[in-house]
Amino acid sequence: DSGVTQTPKHLITATGQRVTLRCSPRSGDLSVYWYQQSLDQGLQFLIQYYNGEERAKGNILERFSAQQFPDLHSELNLSSLELGDSALYFCASSVGMGGGADEQFFGRGSRLSVL
Amino acid sequence: QQQVKQSPQSLIVQKGGISIINCAYENTAFDYFPWYQQFPGKGPALLIAIRPDVSEKKEGRFTISFNKSAKQFSLHIMDSQPGDSATYFCAARIRGGATNKLIFGTGTLLAVQP
Repeated sequence: DSGVTQTPKHLITATGQRVTLRCSPRSGDLSVYWYQQSLDQGLQFLIQYYNGEERAKGNILERFSAQQFPDLHSELNLSSLELGDSALYFCASSVGMGGGADEQFFGRGSRLSVL
Repeated sequence: QQQVKQSPQSLIVQKGGISIINCAYENTAFDYFPWYQQFPGKGPALLIAIRPDVSEKKEGRFTISFNKSAKQFSLHIMDSQPGDSATYFCAARIRGGATNKLIFGTGTLLAVQP
């Protein structure tokens, strides 16, 4: 077990809806990362937060947003959902913000199915 | 170019054989190259990683070979076992330290037959 907790495990929703995915990082980790894993795109970096502040942005759609709270848990909000948003969403955490051998530990993912 | 190209897409190896997965990149600003292993229903887990100032790193049956001039690196799994059957991802991180975001390859599904 990596120590990174993600909820829910699986979410089924309809197009146009909004969902929130939650991530609790490992104890002591200040960085949280969100990745999207789909069959055709592989693992794509979405966004990184470090101690509550946004550090880096990847190919994150404008319909998606994230935040990291004072207790360091993070939420990824996905709105106006489309069929193509169906994917596995992974959260990872690490101690630092970058550099060195700052290993990322991944959660088990939240599977989103948009029908 | 912030891409990492990975091949093959899938690989079948007999037990005891050598599994080889290759990755290539263009961006010379990458400074850290980890390999992740992912089992069904689980998140990726770090397997082994290398920096570009080293040509080879070995941990148990797993070895990374790194060719900086060719901008290629590969994972070798010696004495492959059925328990190694998983999806393997190579990745790369941009130098700078301001972020730790990883650029992943597309993954290789490895099946080790008993």
